[in-house]
Amino acid sequence: GDSVTQMEGPVTLSEEAFLTINCTYTATGYPSLFWYVQYPGEGLQLLLKATKADDKGSNKGFEATYRKETTSFHLEKGSVQVSDSAVYFCALSGVQAGTALIFGKGTTLSVSS
Amino acid sequence: GAVVSQHPSWVICKSGTSVKIECRSLDFQATTMFWYRQFPKQSLMLMATSNEGSKATYEQGVEKDKFLINHASLTLSTLTVTSAHPEDSSFYICSAFPEGRGGREQFFGPGTRLTVL
Repeated sequence: GDSVTQMEGPVTLSEEAFLTINCTYTATGYPSLFWYVQYPGEGLQLLLKATKADDKGSNKGFEATYRKETTSFHLEKGSVQVSDSAVYFCALSGVQAGTALIFGKGTTLSVSS
Repeated sequence: GAVVSQHPSWVICKSGTSVKIECRSLDFQATTMFWYRQFPKQSLMLMATSNEGSKATYEQGVEKDKFLINHASLTLSTLTVTSAHPEDSSFYICSAFPEGRGGREQFFGPGTRLTVL
């Protein structure tokens, strides 16, 4: 079945450091890919998405490119801030519309000033 | 926009009681809603798919008699945890798929934190 593998954390960085959180997936066909962020005690917020190969999703300085050849969707940010401290989830949606998301295990990011 | 609300946002109950959680799509209709469960510091696990006007589809290992789902309208799904026990304490999150928009993006509610004493 479809699955998402996400690098395990926690990831601890200093402010203004470069961030990469790796995400790879296994799926049939062409799934849609997502990154969600969850701040402490809150629900999920969509950070960015990509729906087809070579698409680049971007938002708030974060970027991720849908790589079909490597089945990856790594999240990057050039300069993190303390306010980026949160849990980040990579997820995929199957090719059929209306299907539930499959989530990675989540990566906790902690940024210190 | 596409806003999903959940009520209550948190609830504390005694063991053996039942708790109802509501999930509402505020500005769109949704034939399909999903219920997820998240244990502390873990990922979200799909519990069930809620289908308007028909029975919910439960994931393997989820007790349908314990987690009752009702999707009576195109904007409301409810999850009732019956005879709750401490091991049911968790963060419950719903999501909804807007009708007629195509695409694969679903919208999440803010979650409900259940604590069973």
